[in-house]
Amino acid sequence: GQQLNQSPQSMFIQEGEDVSMNCTSSSIFNTWLWYKQDPGEGPVLLIALYKAGELTSNGRLTAQFGITRKDSFLNISASIPSDVGIYFCAGPSRRAGGTSYGKLTFGQGTILTVHP
Amino acid sequence: DVKVTQSSRYLVKRTGEKVFLECVQDMDHENMFWYRQDPGLGLRLIYFSYDVKMKEKGDIPEGYSVSREKKERFSLILESASTNQTSMYLCASSDQGHTNEKLFFGSGTQLSVL
Repeated sequence: GQQLNQSPQSMFIQEGEDVSMNCTSSSIFNTWLWYKQDPGEGPVLLIALYKAGELTSNGRLTAQFGITRKDSFLNISASIPSDVGIYFCAGPSRRAGGTSYGKLTFGQGTILTVHP
Repeated sequence: DVKVTQSSRYLVKRTGEKVFLECVQDMDHENMFWYRQDPGLGLRLIYFSYDVKMKEKGDIPEGYSVSREKKERFSLILESASTNQTSMYLCASSDQGHTNEKLFFGSGTQLSVL
């Protein structure tokens, strides 16, 4: 099946530093999504990307849809303690019937720790 | 505020027990999903449903079944719990329009099978 590989697996940074993480796939995705999971909660959608080469921002977060459609990047600028959590990339899974019905494949996650 | 509610936050069961995990959403969403989350493996899809009484297997359906008798409720059933089913279980829902990839998740049920 489709697989998404995220790196790094974990990051330990100081408050105020910038963060970069990425996600790669052996197959093409037409949509890339980035979710964040706060400790003790379910994941929440941060950014959705729909077009190769697209660069989209949400506050201090910026995500890019790779030109090859096989990768995506997420950057966080000037990190703060509430950025702590697990960041997941995701893409729609293929179904035999065509439409994905929102069925997603997720990466393994990047665990972010921010030291004050 | 939109909500996906999972019936239990923590659950401890014994090997061989039948286990029911319940999930309710109040957004009138057509699609509902059950994922399990394990460290280093991310979220893996167990089953999903795109309409009442309609269900499809995800990537890891073995040992699980589901039930969707009403639109707002999606249940995950472990017929005979085993220790390798100890995990965090996450329920999610989404609508069936062009934003169907925007999943709303519950807070999760941490299941321990002893």
